[in-house]
Amino acid sequence: QSALTQPASVSGSPGQSITISCTGTSDSVGNYNLVSWYQQHPGKAPKLMICEDTKRPSGVSIRFSGSKSGNTASLTISGLQAEDEADYYCCSYAGGPTYVFGTGTKVTVL
Amino acid sequence: EVQLVESGGGSLQPGRSLRLSCTASGFSLGGYAMSWFRQAPGKGLEWVGFIRGKAYGGTTEYAASVKGRFSISRDDSKSIAYLQMNSLKIEDTGVYYCARVRWGYDPDAFDFWGQGTMVAVSS
Repeated sequence: QSALTQPASVSGSPGQSITISCTGTSDSVGNYNLVSWYQQHPGKAPKLMICEDTKRPSGVSIRFSGSKSGNTASLTISGLQAEDEADYYCCSYAGGPTYVFGTGTKVTVL
Repeated sequence: EVQLVESGGGSLQPGRSLRLSCTASGFSLGGYAMSWFRQAPGKGLEWVGFIRGKAYGGTTEYAASVKGRFSISRDDSKSIAYLQMNSLKIEDTGVYYCARVRWGYDPDAFDFWGQGTMVAVSS
């Protein structure tokens, strides 16, 4: 399974909304409702932000939301804040069982 | 508070073996599946494998890149999950993370992660 495709970088000003895409195939993203998203600050452990395509775990800000259409999942951050500057990775179940991650997106708050 | 602490990383030559530990606190390890991941320097995350909870027989699954060389085990009485790595290759270099599986026979997501332990394989 090849890595899911994410944009290398996305940027926005404080208060704006940004969206990160995650494109897979009909064997991964498009076949299961099991896309999750992780936030990783430099030198830190990943943090679960979204699970099962659209569900927000307890304690995660409502500014983070997930969606999916066909083979592409998306993470939207609303009301962008300085603390949101980090790397973001999508992950999808791909059957087998196997799990495939996205290439990662660096979010910059201007 | 859920905490996961990895240990056992180090520097070693290709072909050698290493065992990593993941010590859990704040929850009952036996009730959860546990997974391992790695991240090569400056690169993205890679799933390594997972071990199901005792309710599902503690069975294991692995990524193709490590199958036959790595094995995952658990000691619920000690609240520790292990990653045994044999026949290490230079490309196994990276930070290794353990994480708790949120739920499911096959994990839906990984909800708590440790801080990671570094493994450096070089000749």
